[in-house]
Amino acid sequence: AQSVAQPEDQVNVAEGNPLTVKCTYSVSGNPYLFWYVQYPNRGLQFLLKYITGDNLVKGSYGFEAEFNKSQTSFHLKKPSALVSDSALYFCAVGPGGFKTIFGAGTRLFVKA
Amino acid sequence: DAMVIQNPRYQVTQFGKPVTLSCSQTLNHNVMYWYQQKSSQAPKLLFHYYDKDFNNEADTPDNFQSRRPNTSFCFLDIRSPGLGDAAMYLCATSGTGPYEQYFGPGTRLTVT
Repeated sequence: AQSVAQPEDQVNVAEGNPLTVKCTYSVSGNPYLFWYVQYPNRGLQFLLKYITGDNLVKGSYGFEAEFNKSQTSFHLKKPSALVSDSALYFCAVGPGGFKTIFGAGTRLFVKA
Repeated sequence: DAMVIQNPRYQVTQFGKPVTLSCSQTLNHNVMYWYQQKSSQAPKLLFHYYDKDFNNEADTPDNFQSRRPNTSFCFLDIRSPGLGDAAMYLCATSGTGPYEQYFGPGTRLTVT
């Protein structure tokens, strides 16, 4: 079955420290991978995507993600966290067609 | 410069009273989606349109219907809302291909 796993419900990090939000997937073939962020009472906002090519993808607001095919992972990273990064983060995979499978989400808390 | 607009942002309806949520887009995207999101969980796809071609998810209840009269607008009709239908409803659009989705701010539906 196709699935996306975000193993951490919550990630806590101090402002200025690097952050990582983990994502692994189980999809056949070569999927398209996405990260979205959601602030309270708002829709999801696209951060970045991996389609093909360089395994390190750079996106909005200083975020980047590393695609690892052997580990079927697509972890979201940022070198220096900001308090304003506190939000709900969703990893998503597009296995084909218009279907997108979202992970359960990881809540990021950045403490000042 | 809003790209995906949802109205209303908050909707209160009574148990069993039909309700319509609306979505419009200025992106001229072919694909429009409706998602249901409960309590910061992963968005659940209800259906999508590729142009006028309607695609219903297998587990979407018959109580949920949709209309897309033109490229810009899409409506979600809930024929007889139950208490379990209280949720955030998200509209999204995308181009064709492995493109990211653009989400509206959502409509929070309360059923009394």
